[in-house]
Order: sequence, then structure tokens, then C-alpha cells
Amino acid sequence: ETGVTQSPTHLIKTRGQQVTLRCSSQSGHNTVSWYQQALGQGPQFIFQYYREEENGRGNFPPRFSGLQFPNYSSELNVNALELDDSALYLCASSLKRGRSTDTQYFGPGTRLTVL
Amino acid sequence: DQQVKQNSPSLSVQEGRISILNCDYTNSMFDYFLWYKKYPAEGPTFLISISSIKDKNEDGRFTVFLNKSAKHLSLHIVPSQPGDSAVYFCAASATQGGSEKLVFGKGTKLTVNP
Repeated sequence: ETGVTQSPTHLIKTRGQQVTLRCSSQSGHNTVSWYQQALGQGPQFIFQYYREEENGRGNFPPRFSGLQFPNYSSELNVNALELDDSALYLCASSLKRGRSTDTQYFGPGTRLTVL
Repeated sequence: DQQVKQNSPSLSVQEGRISILNCDYTNSMFDYFLWYKKYPAEGPTFLISISSIKDKNEDGRFTVFLNKSAKHLSLHIVPSQPGDSAVYFCAASATQGGSEKLVFGKGTKLTVNP
């Protein structure tokens, strides 16, 4: 069974640029969630995708957007990068059955630095 | 407004002793609670969870206790081992129109000394 993978591991961008982060879900999972973890903080929920549709969103501006593909892999896109976007970005996959969702399993994260 | 609070940023215990990590929450809509362990340069690893209909869940050396009236949960690790040294995050699940986002505390860094 393959776990959750993310790419790239590290990324450095400058303010105003755009970035795309990628996530491959654990085999058999149909739901992916994205979190932002700033230094010294716990992960904060950005949004969740279930069967290619957004299924819940946290308090993040529209310049944070995502996609989920038919194979359940996912992308997180951030436009017009700001210095405060520097953080560890985590994706987590899970299996949603009916109204309940199983435990979320996290990838290793992508460390984004905005200069 | 922090809905999940871990008030101890760090905890240090001796190998073989009990580690107790605490977590408080404010949102009474939370119905599922989880603990994750995180090593540097890795993503959080699921450790143990508890539903709001239970007050205790045990898995090997790890036990989670839930006190709903106090809106408090704790993770007990017995006996503690040096390999348990990591940052522990408490998380609560809030169903939001079918999606179950996790709300995390800031974490407690556990150090187990040999």
C-alpha cells in the first residue's frame, strides 16, 4: 500500500509569483484535504476535495485554489504569493463513505518559502 | 479564536515513566478527536482517536481519555520510550456539510530522556 506523497519537498518563490503543489493520495482513498502549518503553529485547514469537487473550505482567500483529479491526486495552487504564505503545506488523504470520513493520513509536506 | 488548545508547549519525562499530554477544546460540536505525532521533516502520523460517545480508548502503550463535560482530553503514554520524543498534536473533527475538517492545537513537544 502506497502512502501519501507530496512534491516538491522544498520550494522558494518570490512575492507575487504563483505556485502549484502536488499530492498523491493513499491507495483506495477518495478524499484529500490540504493544510497550512506556519512555524510554531498547528496545521490549519485550507480545503477538502471529495470526488473532484470542493467539499469544505477554511478561512483562506480565493487565491488559494485546488483541484482533484480522477485518480484522486490533487493540486494546491496559490496565486499572488505573500510573505505570510511561507509555511509547510500538508495534504492528507482519507476514505469518505456516506456521511462519515475515516482517519486522515498525512504526507510529508512541502516547505514553501516566499522571499 | 483558538478552538483547540494545548497549553503546554513542551514536556520532559524519564524513560519508563508516564507521559500525559493535555488538550482542551471550546466547540461543543466537535464529535471526534485524534492525536497525531510529528517528527521533524515528516508529516503528522496518526496515533489514536476517540469518538465523543466514548470516554476512553486504548491502543498498546497509548490511551486517550475524553471528558466531555470539561471539554478536555488527554493522551497517556505508558511506559514512555526515547522514540516517543516528538511533537504531539491534538485535533478535533467538526463535520461541516459533509466535510470533516480537522482543527489542530499548536502541539506539545515531548522529550523522553533515557
